[in-house]
Amino acid sequence: QKEVEQDPGPLSVPEGAIVSLNCTYSNSAFQYFMWYRQYSRKGPELLMYTYSSGNKEDGRFTAQVDKSSKYISLFIRDSQPSDSATYLCAIRRNTGKLIFGQGTTLQVKP
Amino acid sequence: AAGVIQSPRHLIKEKRETATLKCYPIPRHDTVYWYQQGPGQDPQFLISFYEKMQSDKGSIPDRFSAQQFSDYHSELNMSSLELGDSALYFCASSLAVVRQRKANYGYTFGSGTRLTVV
Repeated sequence: QKEVEQDPGPLSVPEGAIVSLNCTYSNSAFQYFMWYRQYSRKGPELLMYTYSSGNKEDGRFTAQVDKSSKYISLFIRDSQPSDSATYLCAIRRNTGKLIFGQGTTLQVKP
Repeated sequence: AAGVIQSPRHLIKEKRETATLKCYPIPRHDTVYWYQQGPGQDPQFLISFYEKMQSDKGSIPDRFSAQQFSDYHSELNMSSLELGDSALYFCASSLAVVRQRKANYGYTFGSGTRLTVV
């Protein structure tokens, strides 16, 4: 069992829709959670970073961490075609290394 | 703003050859991480360095070695290349984890090196 599980999709939505991306993790000791966006053949780009539980908002993006259920989410409001990419959740270990989910491929159709 | 620089961007090697990938971190970042991403897969951690010392090790084959130099740049050396080594190799840099407990300490990825072994 992977330490971080993520539905790979693909997920296809119309422009303007609210997108919900989710991951579950196995180790309750994890404290640092990240969401990355990766365009084809590019490096992962950090979108959101959350420490411990709670919500964090940045523009159209909201990250949520529910440590009681070991569940992390990323919401994208008013989705745009430019949001079409692969979204990776990640857990940061104490040594700094990241454990990624499988990534969810999102397509936003105009 | 300066980003993480990786070279080369693309590399084609034959089986059993060697390859060297280079990574130049963001200025003032002292920690470097290497990841391997196969087609359609998530990045897998290989190895990391802090202040020129190996700080963590993941699923890195014995045929691979890496080091960090005094200017903080890092090189990943890959020998006896196999077809299965074909992948995207990413480098990331950050400030040391020990310095910032709750901040994201600027964890940034480079654009990667695409290695194709034929």
